[in-house]
Amino acid sequence: QQQVKQSPQSLIVQKGGISIINCAYENTAFDYFPWYQQFPGKGPALLIAIRPDVSEKKEGRFTISFNKSAKQFSLHIMDSQPGDSATYFCAARVQGAQKLVFGQGTRLTINP
Amino acid sequence: GAGVSQTPSNKVTEKGKYVELRCDPISGHTALYWYRQSLGQGPEFLIYFQGTGAADDSGLPNDRFFAVRPEGSVSTLKIQRTERGDSAVYLCASSLGRNTDTQYFGPGTRLTVL
Repeated sequence: QQQVKQSPQSLIVQKGGISIINCAYENTAFDYFPWYQQFPGKGPALLIAIRPDVSEKKEGRFTISFNKSAKQFSLHIMDSQPGDSATYFCAARVQGAQKLVFGQGTRLTINP
Repeated sequence: GAGVSQTPSNKVTEKGKYVELRCDPISGHTALYWYRQSLGQGPEFLIYFQGTGAADDSGLPNDRFFAVRPEGSVSTLKIQRTERGDSAVYLCASSLGRNTDTQYFGPGTRLTVL
């Protein structure tokens, strides 16, 4: 119930392509869904986040698509660049709680 | 402004020893979190402080793990009788307060138990 399942584990995309990472959850009490980006040796950094009352949120090249009925959400990176190569984590938080539940991560490689 | 800082960046210890990991949150942030990240995994929640008190310690794996935040700023995660399975990166995060969303993470402390 507390899990967030993330796929794929790793992804290779050509420069300029679209990177898509997916997450699924079971707990309908989740009310906040952030995506974090992590570079080697660094802590995760918030990239973009969404609440379940909207179906899409876009910030620059990054878009979250949210499907409440399917209990799925995804991160789309448009015009992917080599500098986007990192590990991406989806997460979720139960309404009223503070702790984040993270997915297993996706290692994204953008080939030049 | 300075972000979340953690010391040491690396800690190597022997099985059975005691270790302390320190976290300095962003100035003014009243909420502080500890997470543990094993190799190739996402961070796992350990404990959350609001001010000086531990508001949620449901993620601490057993009573060898303890954390304090006596003055509502710096926090120390303490691990007694370390085991090889405790080896991981320990991440600290802070946020502005109870009802704020964004958690800002530090670079972590890599703990290796030999």
